[in-house]
Amino acid sequence: EAGVAQSPRYKIIEKRQSVAFWCNPISGHATLYWYQQILGQGPKLLIQFQNNGVVDDSQLPKDRFSAERLKGVDSTLKIQPAKLEDSAVYLCASTPDPSTGYTFGSGTRLTVV
Amino acid sequence: QKEVEQNSGPLSVPEGAIASLNCTYSDRGSQSFFWYRQYSGKSPELIMSIYSNGDKEDGRFTAQLNKASQYVSLLIRDSQPSDSATYLCAVKKDSSASKIIFGSGTRLSIRP
Repeated sequence: EAGVAQSPRYKIIEKRQSVAFWCNPISGHATLYWYQQILGQGPKLLIQFQNNGVVDDSQLPKDRFSAERLKGVDSTLKIQPAKLEDSAVYLCASTPDPSTGYTFGSGTRLTVV
Repeated sequence: QKEVEQNSGPLSVPEGAIASLNCTYSDRGSQSFFWYRQYSGKSPELIMSIYSNGDKEDGRFTAQLNKASQYVSLLIRDSQPSDSATYLCAVKKDSSASKIIFGSGTRLSIRP
């Protein structure tokens, strides 16, 4: 079974620039999550999709972050404009059943300078 | 009060000993509990899940859950250097939102 695919692996941008991350979940996984993990902290949920609908985006900074999941498969997360405090690893995860836990992708490490 | 609390460590354990990792959670209605292992520079990997009070064993790992005390723990027997990692406790609330809340992790170091 192929895992959760994410790209790019690393990204360095200047503050106020925009950036986009891509995620392709495991085939058949209806639920997809984007988490932000700042160094030394646990992952923090940004947004949850069920198929192509948003279930929870309560912690997504909507003035600068946006996400979509077209056709209920792959997803993109965008930041515009980026701030220094957005430097983190952005993790995508998917699951067929949230009660059984998630599978994470390898993540995208973002550095904002 | 944080929703999921863990001691950040580092916890240093000699090789071959038992490592004990602890976690408390605030929402009494939580129903699903997970332990993830995260190596430095890598993404979290699910190693154990537990749903009912008591112990659940999988190889060298044992998860323990006490819902009355809102406490979940992970025991690693015969600790190996390869067990050195950060261990994240995660809790799913029993709600339609179905999101998992993570603790900040405990860094475990197995010394030879």
